[in-house]
Amino acid sequence: DAGVIQSPRHEVTEMGQEVTLRCKPISGHNSLFWYRQTMMRGLELLIYFNNNVPIDDSGMPEDRFSAKMPNASFSTLKIQPSEPRDSAVYFCASSSGGDWSSGNTIYFGEGSWLTVV
Amino acid sequence: KNQVEQSPQSLIILEGKNCTLQCNYTVSPFSNLRWYKQDTGRGPVSLTIMTFSENTKSNGRYTATLDADTKQSSLHITASQLSDSASYICVVSRPGFQKLVFGTGTRLLVSP
Repeated sequence: DAGVIQSPRHEVTEMGQEVTLRCKPISGHNSLFWYRQTMMRGLELLIYFNNNVPIDDSGMPEDRFSAKMPNASFSTLKIQPSEPRDSAVYFCASSSGGDWSSGNTIYFGEGSWLTVV
Repeated sequence: KNQVEQSPQSLIILEGKNCTLQCNYTVSPFSNLRWYKQDTGRGPVSLTIMTFSENTKSNGRYTATLDADTKQSSLHITASQLSDSASYICVVSRPGFQKLVFGTGTRLLVSP
């Protein structure tokens, strides 16, 4: 099992540039999550997809952030334009099922480390 | 307000010793509580998931307890190893399509 695959692992970009992070969930999982992790705020949910449909995007910081899931095996998180305060680790995660009460395990990728200078 | 608080923030123990990490939550209604281990530079990995009716769950040298009445959980690590050095994150969920509420984690360092 390949696990959740994220790319790129590291990205350094200049302020104002567009950043696209990519995620391939575990095959057969129908829930996909994008999280952001910083030292100050810990892990924060940005957006949650179930069966490729965005269910909860209330965690997306502002209009500069957008996420898509065109099919069950691929998702992107885009930041345009990027700002230094976007520097963080962005995790993609996937799970089977959609109801938290089912207690299904959520599997995280290794993260994309973003630095905006 | 739905919150998850963990203590201590950081902890240093000698290899071979036991330790207990604490998690208090105010999330309501409650569905389940999860403990994750996050190695430096890696993604979180699930250790245990406990529902309302479970009060103890083990995964190797890791044992999690849950007291749903007092809204407290603990993660006990037995005979610590250097590889246990990591952040341990407590996560509580509510029923349905709701956000998970994350604690900020306890950073554990196991020293030789």
